[in-house]
Amino acid sequence: DQQVKQNSPSLSVQEGRISILNCDYTNSMFDYFLWYKKYPAEGPTFLISISSIKDKNEDGRFTVFLNKSAKHLSLHIVPSQPGDSAVYFCAASEGANSKLTFGKGITLSVRP
Amino acid sequence: EAGVTQFPSHSVIEKGQTVTLRCDPISGHDNLYWYRRVMGKEIKFLLHFVKESKQDESGMPNNRFLAERTGGTYSTLKVQPAELEDSGVYFCAIRTGIYGYTFGSGTRLTVV
Repeated sequence: DQQVKQNSPSLSVQEGRISILNCDYTNSMFDYFLWYKKYPAEGPTFLISISSIKDKNEDGRFTVFLNKSAKHLSLHIVPSQPGDSAVYFCAASEGANSKLTFGKGITLSVRP
Repeated sequence: EAGVTQFPSHSVIEKGQTVTLRCDPISGHDNLYWYRRVMGKEIKFLLHFVKESKQDESGMPNNRFLAERTGGTYSTLKVQPAELEDSGVYFCAIRTGIYGYTFGSGTRLTVV
C-alpha cells in the first residue's frame, strides 16, 4: 500500500517554462514533506521541504505547495533549466526524526 | 568532505553468497538510516539507528539482513545469504538540519 504516490512517471518541459510535479499522500499523520532530486549514480539530494503548518514554501526557483485537505503537494520550478533534468522524489514523514516514506519518483526532462 | 560515504559503489555477487555494505557518515550525527531502491521503484526505508542502537528496524525485509553500527560511527549492512530479489541500490543517510537528510551515493547490489 503506497502512502506517497507520484502518478506521473515522467514530465518533459521546454527550457524557461514552468515545471509542475505532483504528489499525493494517504497518511494523515504525515507532517513533514520533502522533495529530493536525484541524478544517475548519485544519492538523492535535498531540494525543499514544507511543514504541515504551512501551505507554501519558496526557495529561489523552487516552490512547494501543500493542500492538506486534498492530501496533495506540488513542486513548481520556474523557470525550468536543462540542469534541472533529473528524477524528483516526493517524501513524507511523521515527525522530524522519523523515517521517510518516498514516492516512486518522476523523471523531469527540460528541453533546451 | 562528503557527508556520507558508502562502499563499495557496486557489488555483483552470486545467489547464496554474503555481501557487506558499509556506510561512513561524518562525525557528530546520531541518526543514521538505511534505505533501498529496487528496480526503479520507490526508495524504501530499512532501518534507523540512534547512535549504536536500532531505533526502528520495521523496514528490514527478513532475517537475512543484519545491520550494525559500531560505537555509533560507521554502519554495516550484511546480506546473508543473498537472493535475487535483494538486487537494488542501498542508500545510507544522516539527519542534517531541521528537515533534511543527506544521502550517500549508494551501493548498487546485483545478485545473479
